Amino acid sequence: ETGVTQSPTHLIKTRGQQVTLRCSSQSGHNTVSWYQQALGQGPQFIFQYYREEENGRGNFPPRFSGLQFPNYSSELNVNALELDDSALYLCASTPAGPLSDTQYFGPGTRLTVL
Amino acid sequence: SQQGEEDPQALSIQEGENATMNCSYKTSINNLQWYRQNSGRGLVHLILIRSNEREKHSGRLRVTLDTSKKSSSLLITASRAADTASYFCATDRTSGSRLTFGEGTQLTVNP
Repeated sequence: ETGVTQSPTHLIKTRGQQVTLRCSSQSGHNTVSWYQQALGQGPQFIFQYYREEENGRGNFPPRFSGLQFPNYSSELNVNALELDDSALYLCASTPAGPLSDTQYFGPGTRLTVL
Repeated sequence: SQQGEEDPQALSIQEGENATMNCSYKTSINNLQWYRQNSGRGLVHLILIRSNEREKHSGRLRVTLDTSKKSSSLLITASRAADTASYFCATDRTSGSRLTFGEGTQLTVNP
């Protein structure tokens, strides 16, 4: 168990809709990263938040946005969903201190866009 | 784009045999990590090796890193059916920064 939880587990949306995915990490994990994993591929970095500020972004359009809250939870929002957004979305948190190189992943949210 | 490439893409072995997976990457790194993923679920962290380390062990896992060749290998000894999963290597360029993953190796251990 990594102590990182995500909700919902599965989600089905239609093209053009908006979706919010949630992640909760352990106390003291002040960095959260989000990844998109298409079927049969490795995860791709979307963005990272550190102490509630965006701290790096991958090659994803602005309709992918995020928030991090003081209680170590975070959100990934995707607007104007496209079919290619169907994927497993993973969040990962990083503890402060000497273990700060390791990212601990949640179980993921499987998003299907029809 | 993916930085890492795993080799082989798929590996099928018998229980008790050793499994070796390789990973290559393109740019300089700070750390290289190996993760396991069961059936499209979350990633489980296995082991981290720093750029100034050459070999690391954890239980039945042995990881090597050759920064001159920009490659790493993961050895699982005495494999078990429960080791069946996808294995990914991931690199970062600074501590705690974005991870860049390879495409993964699908390992099947037959009982």
